[in-house]
Amino acid sequence: GENVEQHPSTLSVQEGDSAVIKCTYSDSASNYFPWYKQELGKRPQLIIDIRSNVGEKKDQRIAVTLNKTAKHFSLHITETQPEDSAVYFCAATTNYGGSQGNLIFGKGTKLSVKP
Amino acid sequence: DSGVTQTPKHLITATGQRVTLRCSPRSGDLSVYWYQQSLDQGLQFLIQYYNGEERAKGNILERFSAQQFPDLHSELNLSSLELGDSALYFCASSVGVEIEQFFGPGTRLTVL
Repeated sequence: GENVEQHPSTLSVQEGDSAVIKCTYSDSASNYFPWYKQELGKRPQLIIDIRSNVGEKKDQRIAVTLNKTAKHFSLHITETQPEDSAVYFCAATTNYGGSQGNLIFGKGTKLSVKP
Repeated sequence: DSGVTQTPKHLITATGQRVTLRCSPRSGDLSVYWYQQSLDQGLQFLIQYYNGEERAKGNILERFSAQQFPDLHSELNLSSLELGDSALYFCASSVGVEIEQFFGPGTRLTVL
């Protein structure tokens, strides 16, 4: 089955710097890769996603890149702000567009943005 | 607010007991997914229902079961509870043909 590895497990940056979180997946059939942000004690919130037919997607300060050959994808946050501090999870699924689609999650990255 | 609701918010019970967690998906969503989040295991997929039928199963214990009702709400039943079952239980929903999943606020289960 699919396995997703996420690095680093913790990341500390200064406000205004960029942050990059990387994930690798094992199943080459995976076709959908969402990123979730989870603040302490709250639900995971979808912040950006990418499908396997796209190499890069950007939404304001957040971008995701996908390298299908290497089976890895990354989250890039620019101009970080203290409110970006949270745990970020990457995920993958092999069934985008179908009626299944359970997500396999990475272990999470705790991002701390210092003012 | 994602539109997905879960009750109860907190649940404290004893080992050996049985509990039921409830989830109402977003209006129009046919798929419901259950996930368990613990400190050491992260977010783990348990089970998925689509329009009343079981569609996918993850590492769900035999002591756990779920169902989706005709009105599309879902219940996760946990029985013979053990200390290690203490976790946050999230449900998520999606339309079904689109895969974006939206999570509910979760139920925090504490087994004493």
